[in-house]
Amino acid sequence: KQEVTQIPAALSVPEGENLVLNCSFTDSAIYNLQWFRQDPGKGLTSLLLIQSSQREQTSGRLNASLDKSSGRSTLYIAASQPGDSATYLCAVGSNTGKLIFGQGTTLQVKP
Amino acid sequence: GAGVSQSPSNKVTEKGKDVELRCDPISGHTALYWYRQRLGQGLEFLIYFQGNSAPDKSGLPSDRFSAERTGESVSTLTIQRTQQEDSAVYLCASSLFGGTQYFGPGTRLTVL
Repeated sequence: KQEVTQIPAALSVPEGENLVLNCSFTDSAIYNLQWFRQDPGKGLTSLLLIQSSQREQTSGRLNASLDKSSGRSTLYIAASQPGDSATYLCAVGSNTGKLIFGQGTTLQVKP
Repeated sequence: GAGVSQSPSNKVTEKGKDVELRCDPISGHTALYWYRQRLGQGLEFLIYFQGNSAPDKSGLPSDRFSAERTGESVSTLTIQRTQQEDSAVYLCASSLFGGTQYFGPGTRLTVL
């Protein structure tokens, strides 16, 4: 059974810092991996999708890496801003598209 | 529409009543998913549609839960004889097969 773990559960940093969020999964037979952000009381916003054959994806200040063999993914956020404050969710996709989510990392970026 | 829409946005019901939740996916998306998020917990997969068939129903928690989809369009999640533990935000997502899943804003269900 696939299990997804995110560390840390919460993180508070001053504005401008670069930071790394971690995601680990127990079954390396994944189809893809997706990172989302969730703002309080709102739905999920897709940030990055990495297919199982890829090693990383970049979008603006965000970079996500994938190491299937070790069951790990990281989300790197450069030059953090207060607007980045949200809960970040890692989700592992199977070949049916079903996503298994981690519990999330709640990020607070202080001005 | 530009994104996934869900209705109603909020639903309050009494224990034992039936409820229907609706999802309108992004036009052209063949895959549609239902998830739920209980207060303070992570997202749980419920069911996946490819077209109007459901090859993966493994997340439905009991036979009180059912879902259908008409063509490659609207889906309805029905919960019969609601219980208090059904209270949650129900989220719908759609995608092209194997692609990025785009989520709707969710329906917040409260069972009194």
